[in-house]
Amino acid sequence: AQKITQTQPGMFVQEKEAVTLDCTYDTSDPSYGLFWYKQPSSGEMIFLIYQGSYDQQNATEGRYSLNFQKARKSANLVISASQLGDSAMYFCAMREVQGAQKLVFGQGTRLTINP
Amino acid sequence: GAGVSQTPSNKVTEKGKYVELRCDPISGHTALYWYRQSLGQGPEFLIYFQGTGAADDSGLPNDRFFAVRPEGSVSTLKIQRTERGDSAVYLCASSSSGRREETQYFGPGTRLLVL
Repeated sequence: AQKITQTQPGMFVQEKEAVTLDCTYDTSDPSYGLFWYKQPSSGEMIFLIYQGSYDQQNATEGRYSLNFQKARKSANLVISASQLGDSAMYFCAMREVQGAQKLVFGQGTRLTINP
Repeated sequence: GAGVSQTPSNKVTEKGKYVELRCDPISGHTALYWYRQSLGQGPEFLIYFQGTGAADDSGLPNDRFFAVRPEGSVSTLKIQRTERGDSAVYLCASSSSGRREETQYFGPGTRLLVL
């Protein structure tokens, strides 16, 4: 069974600092995809970044990068130069290539950016 | 282009009543997903449609829950004999063709409160 663990219920960061949100996962499928979503207070899930298990390089999207350590089964999200608008819930999710199409989400981390 | 839309945005009902929640996916997306998000939790998978057919309904909690997508576009999630434990945010997502590495794009959700 697949499982996503986000161990940080809340994070507080000063504006303009970088922040790392942790995510570890557990799967027996050799091929899988990892996703990060942002959920502001409005409730909509906003896709941020994707990492495939066979991707050679860590994914990057603007200020977002993914620190993918396959042997450790971790996929931490790094946000550089944080902004007040980054305050939100952040969810890590995984989808196996074999088996179900569903995304399995972690519990989330609430990020608060302080001015 | 337009994103995933969901109606109503909020629904309050009484225990035992029947409710319908609607999802309008991104135009041209053949894959559609329903998730349920309880307070303080990550979304949990309910059902996945590929076209008109339910390809995976393993996440539906019991037979009070049912979903349809008769024309391969709009989907309706139906809950019979609602219970207080059904209170949650119901999220709909769509993806282009259902390939496993594809991003799922989410709607704003329907907040269901069962009194």
